[in-house]
Amino acid sequence: AQKVTQAQTEISVVEKEDVTLDCVYETRDTTYYLFWYKQPPSGELVFLIRRNSFDEQNEISGRYSWNFQKSTSSFNFTITASQVVDSAVYFCALSEDRKDSSYKLIFGSGTRLLVRP
Amino acid sequence: KAGVTQTPRYLIKTRGQQVTLSCSPISGHRSVSWYQQTPGQGLQFLFEYFSETQRNKGNFPGRFSGRQFSNSRSEMNVSTLELGDSALYLCASSLEREEDEQFFGPGTRLTVL
Repeated sequence: AQKVTQAQTEISVVEKEDVTLDCVYETRDTTYYLFWYKQPPSGELVFLIRRNSFDEQNEISGRYSWNFQKSTSSFNFTITASQVVDSAVYFCALSEDRKDSSYKLIFGSGTRLLVRP
Repeated sequence: KAGVTQTPRYLIKTRGQQVTLSCSPISGHRSVSWYQQTPGQGLQFLFEYFSETQRNKGNFPGRFSGRQFSNSRSEMNVSTLELGDSALYLCASSLEREEDEQFFGPGTRLTVL
């Protein structure tokens, strides 16, 4: 069965600190897709990144970076030099490859990040 | 390009009533998915529609239903509301395939009294 675990319920850091959000997933499929979303207080989920199971290359986008390791079934997210605007709930999600191409995102429980000035 | 829009943004109903929520996807997107978010259960998949057909369904009772129109707009309906149906209902649109990113709307906050 598919499962996404975000063990960190809440993280609090001081501005400019680096912070890593952990994500561990379970799937029996060899082809799958991993996502990170940000949910600010407004409630709307904002797409951050997608990674497919064949692409283990780490990615950096500005202050954001992602580390995908199939060997440990992890897809961790690091924010460098955090800012107050990074305060939000972050969700990791999994989508399996389906014959009918249909969608079904399985979300983790989310990590609430609080960045204090 | 306009984003995903959902109406209404807030709704208050009483137990036993029914409710219809609406979602307009991003222009050109043919897939619309619905999710329920509650503090206890988190984000849970309800169903997905593509070209007016339900393509996938989560583990929710039959009181939850949906449909998609030819212009890709979608509605979801909840009949015989229960207190536990109070949640943020999020709609997401995407192009076509499961690897495409889903873009979410602002959600409809439903409160059942």
